[in-house]
Amino acid sequence: GAVVSQHPSWVICKSGTSVKIECRSLDFQATTMFWYRQFPKQSLMLMATSNEGSKATYEQGVEKDKFLINHASLTLSTLTVTSAHPEDSSFYICSATTSSGEDQETQYFGPGTRLLVL
Amino acid sequence: AQKITQTQPGMFVQEKEAVTLDCTYDTSDPSYGLFWYKQPSSGEMIFLIYQGSYDQQNATEGRYSLNFQKARKSANLVISASQLGDSAMYFCAMKFLGAQKLVFGQGTRLTINP
Repeated sequence: GAVVSQHPSWVICKSGTSVKIECRSLDFQATTMFWYRQFPKQSLMLMATSNEGSKATYEQGVEKDKFLINHASLTLSTLTVTSAHPEDSSFYICSATTSSGEDQETQYFGPGTRLLVL
Repeated sequence: AQKITQTQPGMFVQEKEAVTLDCTYDTSDPSYGLFWYKQPSSGEMIFLIYQGSYDQQNATEGRYSLNFQKARKSANLVISASQLGDSAMYFCAMKFLGAQKLVFGQGTRLTINP
């Protein structure tokens, strides 16, 4: 099956620092990757959609200068939380889809990254 | 506007019993796909099952089946012979033809009791 990895699995950082989270599709080419944020006991909130080689499309209310997304290859997308503050503490999870085959409708998710900003 | 509703915030079921998790949706778009994901306490979202709006038969994957009632706009997940490892959050989600993103429901926390 399609496997998506995420690194790191959790990170603690000081307020004001930047944090980079990587999302990789391990056994397929991901033409589209998605970044979600999830608060405790809540559903997933889509932050942005990232297509390989083009700029990410951000959802309303998500600051693009705060959450920098790069999708430089068909297997890697990165989310950088710039100048992180305690309110950015959350669970960040990525997903990926492929553009070919029977599975093209399904989003496969990474294991997520827990970010704690002190 | 498209919307997914899961009305059961929590469910408690005895081990080995079957369980049905409700999901209703609201859309005027004729082409869409419905998904169910499982999220254990580790946080990973595990894809369970998919149903296309034009699929004639209900989808099944092992112990999971999707009770798709298009006229009622419902796509309930049925888990047969529940196991302790089925305890998790379950999310229903929807994707529209031509769109890339998923719309998620609020989730249902399922607890399987021994």
